[in-house]
Amino acid sequence: QVQLQESGPGLVRPSQTLSLTCTVSGGSISGRGHYWSWIRQPPGKGLEWIGYIFYSGSTDYKSSLKSRSTISLDTSKNQFSLRLTSVTAADTGVYYCATNAGLGTYYQWDYWGRGTLVTVSP
Amino acid sequence: DVQMTQSPLSLSASVGERVTVTCRASQSLGPYLHWYQQKPGKAPKLLIYAVSNLQSGVPSRFSGSGSGTDFTLTITSLQPEDFGIYYCQQSISTPYTFGQGTRLDIQ
Repeated sequence: QVQLQESGPGLVRPSQTLSLTCTVSGGSISGRGHYWSWIRQPPGKGLEWIGYIFYSGSTDYKSSLKSRSTISLDTSKNQFSLRLTSVTAADTGVYYCATNAGLGTYYQWDYWGRGTLVTVSP
Repeated sequence: DVQMTQSPLSLSASVGERVTVTCRASQSLGPYLHWYQQKPGKAPKLLIYAVSNLQSGVPSRFSGSGSGTDFTLTITSLQPEDFGIYYCQQSISTPYTFGQGTRLDIQ
């Protein structure tokens, strides 16, 4: 059973960089077929996919966030990370890491972290 | 981007009732349509994947159906623990997108 846990600062100043890490347990981050995603949810609003990194290292991002986003893998720590630059108050919300079950899936998110609240404020 | 439109956006139903939530996509999705349940302060939980496949551990009162651009989540015999917000999500193409969510309250 794959388990995910987000970590990172809960408060980020405007124009600074948001950095979050997702630690994976119960499975390998190099496991074939896994798409490791970041999804966020502004307070009281719906869900927004930010991007993913494939187990092979290839990435894809939501176009409106692409210029500010970087998702990377750290296979030595079984972690993946999100960096979001030049943040504004609009980036405030709960950030989730999530993944599919691996090969043969339909890219649904079977596993989720608990989420971490990030507030952008002076 | 694929637009996902859910209806209704909120509903209230009684224990034992049958509830239906609809999701319409702006293009055909094939099997790449999934449903999640989210409770306050919690991460979304996968209920149904690939239109009609029940995720392991999810009660059989939940079911999904549909094809092309029109999909339905049905809860037969609503239970008190089924309150929450339900989201449909497409994974046929990036950016992966969600519906607005349907808030379900138990009367």
